[in-house]
Amino acid sequence: QVQLQESGPGLVKPSDTVSLTCTVSGGSISGFYWNWIRQPPGKGLEWIGYISYTESTKYNPSLESRVTISLDTSKNQFSLRLSSVTAADTAVYYCARAHFGYNFGPAYYYYMDVWGRGTTVSVSS
Amino acid sequence: QSVLTQPPSASGSPGQRVTISCSGSRSNIGSNTANWYQQLPGTAPRLLIYRDNQRPSRVPDRFSGSKSGTSASLAISGLQSEDEADYYCAAWDDSLNGQVFGPGTKVTVL
Repeated sequence: QVQLQESGPGLVKPSDTVSLTCTVSGGSISGFYWNWIRQPPGKGLEWIGYISYTESTKYNPSLESRVTISLDTSKNQFSLRLSSVTAADTAVYYCARAHFGYNFGPAYYYYMDVWGRGTTVSVSS
Repeated sequence: QSVLTQPPSASGSPGQRVTISCSGSRSNIGSNTANWYQQLPGTAPRLLIYRDNQRPSRVPDRFSGSKSGTSASLAISGLQSEDEADYYCAAWDDSLNGQVFGPGTKVTVL
């Protein structure tokens, strides 16, 4: 059974870069798309981006200039770097595994079936 | 502001049926499949419905999904107290070229 576990610093200062890691256990990186999603306190879910098993990436346009997602297949890990953080980046950050493909013609299916428990990132001086 | 629209809340008595709508556009639900996620208080989201109407094996058949045009719906029949949670719809958006979520619907069991 595949499990995901996020890890990170917890508290970062404004303008710093935060780095988070998601460790994949019980399964392979291959064949899937690996995502970061965040949830500010009391708010909804925001997709940050993904890295595929072939190391292609796609990011939310609203965050693209500050986000980098990378993959380390030797450690079965993928990571998120978010630069120039502000208080608005305070959130619970989740990693998740996604399936991505074509559904009967040009329609895409994209769904996240395994999620980590989340790690809280607070931005404060 | 989300590109998908959901009602902020829904409620029902135990045993009743509750339906949650998710309105999108041609670039997301109108073109691609819809998913639903359940988030119990203080926990991570979990996949409830995928590819419009498919249930993961561990999800009870009280939960069902449907789609028509640019809207998707989640129905919960035989509502139970443990169904109190936030429910999010989601889909791939061709214009944004990314995954989009609805704002979430809080379901309360009266």
